[in-house]
Amino acid sequence: EVQLVESGGGLVKPGGSLRLSCAASGFTFSSYSMNWVRQAPGKGLEWVSSISSSSSYIYYADSVKGRFTISRDNAKNSLYLQMNSLRAEDTAVYYCARDFIAGSGSYPFDYWGQGTLVTVSS
Amino acid sequence: SSELTQDPAVSVALGQTVRITCQGDSLRSYYASWYQQKPGQAPVLVIYGKNNRPSGIPDRFSGSSSGNTASLTITGAQAEDEADYYCNSRDSSGNLFGGGTKLTVL
Repeated sequence: EVQLVESGGGLVKPGGSLRLSCAASGFTFSSYSMNWVRQAPGKGLEWVSSISSSSSYIYYADSVKGRFTISRDNAKNSLYLQMNSLRAEDTAVYYCARDFIAGSGSYPFDYWGQGTLVTVSS
Repeated sequence: SSELTQDPAVSVALGQTVRITCQGDSLRSYYASWYQQKPGQAPVLVIYGKNNRPSGIPDRFSGSSSGNTASLTITGAQAEDEADYYCNSRDSSGNLFGGGTKLTVL
């Protein structure tokens, strides 16, 4: 059974840092690209960042570029998101999601974790 | 920058058919994926590609696409289909999500 379990969320002051982790199991982690997606309270989903299976390709949303860093450790079946210079608008539930190459032009996120809440407030 | 546009809210009578749409330039190059999200839960993939359903998703859910518009159709909506629905696609610099459509089943 595919499982994605996020951890590392919490309360942090503006300007602070936090590192999120996502522990993967039930599939060959090193074969899949992975993503972070966030959802601010009462708002919609926002894609944050993607990383390819071997970390060769990394992408960020403009809203986090230069502040957040995605990484992975295939030996530990883990995905990470280092978040620096946090702002109030970064407050959200952060989900990790597996990228599935379903065919030409189709790249759904087929499995999601339950999310971890990050609150940025003084 | 690119974006995906969805109607904020749609309603449907129990047992009737409803279509939820998503518009964006990225849909001319990539298929949309559709996710269902109920309160307090993580999103669940319901449709991807041309018209594919993951295992466990009822066949009343279907997808279609034309030009820059993708559609999710629920044929015979059930009370348990009341949820937020999001479209998503790749684009040239990463991924996009639509703003979401709140579906109310009357």
